[in-house]
Amino acid sequence: AQSVAQPEDQVNVAEGNPLTVKCTYSVSGNPYLFWYVQYPNRGLQFLLKYITGDNLVKGSYGFEAEFNKSQTSFHLKKPSALVSDSALYFCAVRDMFSGGYNKLIFGAGTRLAVHP
Amino acid sequence: EAQVTQNPRYLITVTGKKLTVTCSQNMNHEYMSWYRQDPGLGLRQIYYSMNVEVTDKGDVPEGYKVSRKEKRNFPLILESPSPNQTSLYFCASSFVTSGSHEQFFGPGTRLTVL
Repeated sequence: AQSVAQPEDQVNVAEGNPLTVKCTYSVSGNPYLFWYVQYPNRGLQFLLKYITGDNLVKGSYGFEAEFNKSQTSFHLKKPSALVSDSALYFCAVRDMFSGGYNKLIFGAGTRLAVHP
Repeated sequence: EAQVTQNPRYLITVTGKKLTVTCSQNMNHEYMSWYRQDPGLGLRQIYYSMNVEVTDKGDVPEGYKVSRKEKRNFPLILESPSPNQTSLYFCASSFVTSGSHEQFFGPGTRLTVL
């Protein structure tokens, strides 16, 4: 079965420090991977995606993610965290076999708290 | 502005009282989908639609209905809501081709069933 795991419920980081939010996946075939962010009382906003090509993907708000096929990981990173980055982050993988082929399988989410 | 809208944003209701949550998108997307978000579970797909008059069950369809009479609208219907349907609901849309397109999400509807 296809799945996504976000092993950390919460990540705490000081403003200005680098941040990493972890994600591992299990899929058959080549994965289509996504990161979304949810700010309080807002919908999910797309951050970035990996489809093919360079393993380092750059996205919105200075975020990037590194695709590692051998470790089946897609960690979200940012070189210097801002307090405004505090939010709930979801990793997702496209389901290749159901849901109309566009269904996303989400991880449980990781709450990022950036402290001043 | 390209967007997915949902109404209402917040709803408190009682067990058994039929309700509809509306979803509309202005991006001419073929694919629309409903998810529910529960703590520790992420988002799970309820129903999806590949195009007008084409709908199918997702992973957690029990207790829900949908319809797709127009391309832009995809309402979620709870015929007889129960407390276990208390959740945060998101509508999403995207193009169908290749599946590499990101999905656009609405702002969410927080439903409480008493």
